Amino acid sequence: KAGVTQTPRYLIKTRGQQVTLSCSPISGHRSVSWYQQTPGQGLQFLFEYFSETQRNKGNFPGRFSGRQFSNSRSEMNVSTLELGDSALYLCASSEHGQGYNEKLFFGSGTQLSVL
Amino acid sequence: QQQVKQSPQSLIVQKGGIPIINCAYENTAFDYFPWYQQFPGKGPALLIAIRPDVSEKKEGRFTISFNKSAKQFSLHIMDSQPGDSATYFCAASAALPGTSYGKLTFGQGTILTVHP
Repeated sequence: KAGVTQTPRYLIKTRGQQVTLSCSPISGHRSVSWYQQTPGQGLQFLFEYFSETQRNKGNFPGRFSGRQFSNSRSEMNVSTLELGDSALYLCASSEHGQGYNEKLFFGSGTQLSVL
Repeated sequence: QQQVKQSPQSLIVQKGGIPIINCAYENTAFDYFPWYQQFPGKGPALLIAIRPDVSEKKEGRFTISFNKSAKQFSLHIMDSQPGDSATYFCAASAALPGTSYGKLTFGQGTILTVHP
C-alpha cells in the first residue's frame, strides 16, 4: 500500500495570505489527524477527521480549519497567516482513529514558511 | 500545559552503547504510550508502544520500561547503531473521553547521535 501523501512538500507564503494543505491517507484508513511541528513547541495536535466529520480539535485559533472528503482525503486551511504559523504540518492516518489507541502513519509533512 | 516531559534533549553515544530516553506524564487518564522515531525530512514513525498493564515490552533492540506508580516510562536502545541516529519522541493518549482523548500528546523530543 502507498503511504500517507502530503502535498505540497514546501510552501512559502507572506503574512495575511491563506494556505491549503492536502493529505491523502493510506487506502482503507478513515481517520486523518493533523499535527503542527515546530522547534519550540514540538508536535501539537490540530484536529482529527473521521468519515468527513471533525471528531476532535486541539487548542489552535479558528484560523486553522480542515475538512475531509468522502474518499478520506483531507485538507487543512490556515487563513490570515502569521509569522508564527511557520512550521512543518504533518498528517497522520489510521483505520479507526480516536478511542482505539492504534498505530498512526505519518506523512513526510508540508514545510510552511511565512515571510 | 506540557503533559509529557521528555529528557534528555540530546544524547550522544558510541556504537554499541545503550541510550536511555525518559518520559514522565501527569495525566492519569493516559493509557497508551507509543514511541516515535523521526529522521530528517520524514514524518515520525511508530517504533514501539506499551499499555499500562505491563511493565516492560521489547521489540528487537528497542525496549520500553513502564512504571505506573511513578508515572514514568523510558526507551532503551540495545546495541545502538549509527543508523539509529534520529529524533525520538515519546507520546501518550487516552482511550476514554476527556482532555487527552483521541489525540497524541508528545514529549519535546530527544536528538540521538550514535558515533561509529
